[in-house]
Amino acid sequence: DQQVKQNSPSLSVQEGRISILNCDYTNSMFDYFLWYKKYPAEGPTFLISISSIKDKNEDGRFTVFLNKSAKHLSLHIVPSQPGDSAVYFCAASARDSSYKLIFGSGTRLLVRP
Amino acid sequence: GAGVSQSPSNKVTEKGKDVELRCDPISGHTALYWYRQRLGQGLEFLIYFQGNSAPDKSGLPSDRFSAERTGGSVSTLTIQRTQQEDSAVYLCASSLGGTVNYGYTFGSGTRLTVV
Repeated sequence: DQQVKQNSPSLSVQEGRISILNCDYTNSMFDYFLWYKKYPAEGPTFLISISSIKDKNEDGRFTVFLNKSAKHLSLHIVPSQPGDSAVYFCAASARDSSYKLIFGSGTRLLVRP
Repeated sequence: GAGVSQSPSNKVTEKGKDVELRCDPISGHTALYWYRQRLGQGLEFLIYFQGNSAPDKSGLPSDRFSAERTGGSVSTLTIQRTQQEDSAVYLCASSLGGTVNYGYTFGSGTRLTVV
């Protein structure tokens, strides 16, 4: 039973354009959401997060949007750069187990020069 | 050290053998986590250690899996009688506190292949 779903296994975007990565979740107890970025042969690195009390969080070129009613979040990268090419994981934690992250299966982003 | 260190980086073992994977967290981080990533899947929670509290072992897939953390620092994940379905990348992470708000720092992982 996948509680966090990333339905697009891959995405290809032209450099300079916007990348939009999507994530859906099923558990209404989730109250904190994170995006991680992973390069080959490296561990995931934290990118950006959002609490369920907000609907948007922005950090430079990265913005995360949360739609609680739809149980949907998205990561926007603008403008996209070739160095952004990586696998992006959406993750969530629940208020009753705030140390544990539940991850989606990831979306591989390719930014074409 | 500066980051989370895992060893070995790669391990190939024969089915039925035992393996030990090591994690050296960031100094001062009280929380330590083990996750695994099977091919094409997301990261799957295995176990969580926080200070001197009893660990949360709820993610360990079978009794062939065990983990310990000695002296609140280094952790070892042991898989006994390995099976082919144990093949995965095993990732360790540590954090300053026991909630995700502190942010995890992951190691580079150990790629385990059971042949």
